[in-house]
Amino acid sequence: EVQLLESGGGLVQPGGSLRLSCAASGFTFSTYAMTWVRQAPGKGLEWVSVISGSDGYTFYADSVKGRFTISRDNSQNMLYLQMNSLRAEDTAVYYCAKGPRSGWYPYSFDSWGQGSLVAVSS
Amino acid sequence: QSALTQPPSASGSPGQSVTISCTGTSSDVGGYNYVSWYQQHPGKAPKVMIYEVTKRPSGVPDRFSGSKSGNTASLTVSGLQAEDEADYYCSSYAGSNNVVFGGGTKLTVL
Repeated sequence: EVQLLESGGGLVQPGGSLRLSCAASGFTFSTYAMTWVRQAPGKGLEWVSVISGSDGYTFYADSVKGRFTISRDNSQNMLYLQMNSLRAEDTAVYYCAKGPRSGWYPYSFDSWGQGSLVAVSS
Repeated sequence: QSALTQPPSASGSPGQSVTISCTGTSSDVGGYNYVSWYQQHPGKAPKVMIYEVTKRPSGVPDRFSGSKSGNTASLTVSGLQAEDEADYYCSSYAGSNNVVFGGGTKLTVL
């Protein structure tokens, strides 16, 4: 059974930093592209970033480019999102998600974590 | 990237069918066959119901179906059941390794 478990969320001041983690199990982690999606309170879903399985290719939404960094440790089956220069508008539940196919498949997501809440406020 | 356009709400009685639309542009919905639909119950993570416009993951009832015409994709839920009441989001590949979501539709089962 595929499991994705996020951690690392919390309250941070504007301008601060936070690192989210996503522990994956139940599938061959290194062969899947992995994605972060966020959802502001009471709002819709927003795609944040994607990383390839083993080539290290990364892509970001314009809203986080230059401030967030996605990375992974395939030896530990872990996905990360380093968030710097946080703003109030980054307040959201952050989900990690995988696609239904191995290889480069960033187009849809068949498994999601339970989410980790990041609140940016002074 | 602009969000895809969905109606904020939709409703139907048990047993009826309801269709939710998702309108984009030729740069996203109209340009790729990578439209997905997600169901989200309050406080829960999204669940994929349809991917690649028409494909249904195992375990998703065949009451859920997807289609696309031009720049508009649609999700149809047939034989509405109480447990179908949820928020539904469409998404589409938008090129340059980006994905764009719709604003969401709240489906009410009357």
